[in-house]
Amino acid sequence: QPVLTQSSSASASLGSSVKLTCTLGRGHSTYIIAWHQQQPGKAPRYLMKVEGSGTYNKGSGVPDRFSGSSSGADRYLTISNLQSEDEADYYCETWDSNTRVFGTGTKVTVL
Amino acid sequence: EVQLVESGGGLVQPGGSLRLSCAASGFTFSSYAMIWVRQAPGKGLEWVSSISASGANTYYSDSVKGRFTIYRDNSKNTLYLQMNSLRVEDTAVYYCAKIDRAAGTSDYWGQGTLVTVSS
Repeated sequence: QPVLTQSSSASASLGSSVKLTCTLGRGHSTYIIAWHQQQPGKAPRYLMKVEGSGTYNKGSGVPDRFSGSSSGADRYLTISNLQSEDEADYYCETWDSNTRVFGTGTKVTVL
Repeated sequence: EVQLVESGGGLVQPGGSLRLSCAASGFTFSSYAMIWVRQAPGKGLEWVSSISASGANTYYSDSVKGRFTIYRDNSKNTLYLQMNSLRVEDTAVYYCAKIDRAAGTSDYWGQGTLVTVSS
């Protein structure tokens, strides 16, 4: 089954940008992934899907500050003009025919 | 507006059973696969189970296989998770989520229901 690797934490200053990485395991480098945001004490929220080509499609209501990209087995989530409400955990997700996998999550701190 | 509302969580003793429900509205429930995902206190997201739109196909994580059963009633727009032989390590907030047909992603989430397994 696919494996997803995320760094545990990231931080950036208010108004700056941060780029999160989700790395697909060997043999799954072409997989599509999804990014989800989980603010403290809240349910996860779907942000976007990111394809191996770098194409990304955002969910309803997701601000323009959020974008996706890809390089090889890496899938990225970039948050520009970082806001205080962006302080959250960010999880990537992928799937195959009969299983789903989540990354361990990256905690983003806004300085 | 898509809405998913979980219910049925609570405190149960080890070895006990619980049934979770997820009431769906705002979309054609019978056309979409659904999943359950859980989150233990202070931990990350863990996929638990998936079910196809018709209910004919179901899948489970190794950690719950043989103990949990996912099913749905498309006439009631409701997803269920029957949990038997509960263990302390099943303690978590359980979320249901809708699967986008085209993208394959889970694109809407419920607010979650807390299951606590403790003596």
